[in-house]
Amino acid sequence: SQQGEEDPQALSIQEGENATMNCSYKTSINNLQWYRQNSGRGLVHLILIRSNEREKHSGRLRVTLDTSKKSSSLLITASRAADTASYFCATDQRGSNYKLTFGKGTLLTVNP
Amino acid sequence: GAGVSQSPSNKVTEKGKDVELRCDPISGHTALYWYRQSLGQGLEFLIYFQGNSAPDKSGLPSDRFSAERTGGSVSTLTIQRTQQEDSAVYLCASSLVVAGTYEQYFGPGTRLTVT
Repeated sequence: SQQGEEDPQALSIQEGENATMNCSYKTSINNLQWYRQNSGRGLVHLILIRSNEREKHSGRLRVTLDTSKKSSSLLITASRAADTASYFCATDQRGSNYKLTFGKGTLLTVNP
Repeated sequence: GAGVSQSPSNKVTEKGKDVELRCDPISGHTALYWYRQSLGQGLEFLIYFQGNSAPDKSGLPSDRFSAERTGGSVSTLTIQRTQQEDSAVYLCASSLVVAGTYEQYFGPGTRLTVT
């Protein structure tokens, strides 16, 4: 199975609500990254959290990392219709020489 | 250029033909990656180039797939004798490999359709 697996697979919320997506992984990592993809095209990097960090913020994004549970969560606060996209977590593996493994993603729909 | 560019943006080919997909990474980025994304799926790693090191080809699905990176910059992914299961979006990414930070910058992708 995949190194990074997101859940839920799909999430539909109203504008202004918060959205939480989760990611689980299997092996020890150096870092975990979250990416956003609009319209099935190129991905955009959102945030990177290192294995020795527990929480990180960037604007309306909050990422947590629990290495003991091998899981991460991405929280988007005060969602907007423009946040509608697929969100992927990506993990490296210790000794992987910067190769990332992506999960299948969570499709977030924010309804106006 | 400001970002990663890929060409063509769309490619329709007949089964059995060869195709070449091109990636221009961000200038100065030493690492270059190719991924494949099938409809509604995550990204499948194909190949990774880093500087002058031997590429990591562990993700290539068959010997019909090959890639090269000339002069440490532009990369070409070649698929020989295309099959219908090769239909997917092929994404290229580049990154600066600096200790502790190596977020990848993606191109818009090439949508390959094999008929």
